[in-house]
Amino acid sequence: DAGITQSPRYKITETGRQVTLMCHQTWSHSYMFWYRQDLGHGLRLIYYSAAADITDKGEVPDGYVVSRSKTENFPLTLESATRSQTSVYFCASSGRGQETQYFGPGTRLLVL
Amino acid sequence: AQSVTQPDIHITVSEGASLELRCNYSYGATPYLFWYVQSPGQGLQLLLKYFSGDTLVQGIKGFEAEFKKSETSFHLTKPSAHMSDAAEYFCVVSAGGTSYGKLTFGQGTILTVHP
Repeated sequence: DAGITQSPRYKITETGRQVTLMCHQTWSHSYMFWYRQDLGHGLRLIYYSAAADITDKGEVPDGYVVSRSKTENFPLTLESATRSQTSVYFCASSGRGQETQYFGPGTRLLVL
Repeated sequence: AQSVTQPDIHITVSEGASLELRCNYSYGATPYLFWYVQSPGQGLQLLLKYFSGDTLVQGIKGFEAEFKKSETSFHLTKPSAHMSDAAEYFCVVSAGGTSYGKLTFGQGTILTVHP
């Protein structure tokens, strides 16, 4: 049982390019989340989704786009990458009525 | 809005010694509280959680935490540290209800364990 996976694990891109980070979970969890982790800021919520086709902004949504056409997938797209988006990105999921979130292994993104 | 403070950025203990990682939260009611651990280059693993009931919570790997409402604290403790405990620890708070899923993370405490 893979649980929650993220791909790619490492990504280097250039300013202005579009980048998509993938997140896949096998638990059929209703809720999925995207966080970024930066030194001095801990983890901050970018976007979350309560179900397929339902998404909402978190604390730091600017420059990011999400979609959720299938329950198990929650891709995060940087439409035009900037250096300030260099970070480690974590995806998480939780079941309906469950407060506990389960995290993926993370994607390290470097924007040059 | 809720907030959480981990006052210690870095703690060093000797193997076999007890350890305490401090966490204080700010919220108008009783929040949901979590401790997560992150090993280098890894994702976050849930250590323990408090929703209600017994204020002393047992977690995995021999960790426990006590919810003290009067002190708005949720400190993480372990009686005997092991080398494998070296990692970064995050105290997390959730308001629940209409704020379901919106976790607020502390800044993290890096734990170093000396042999």
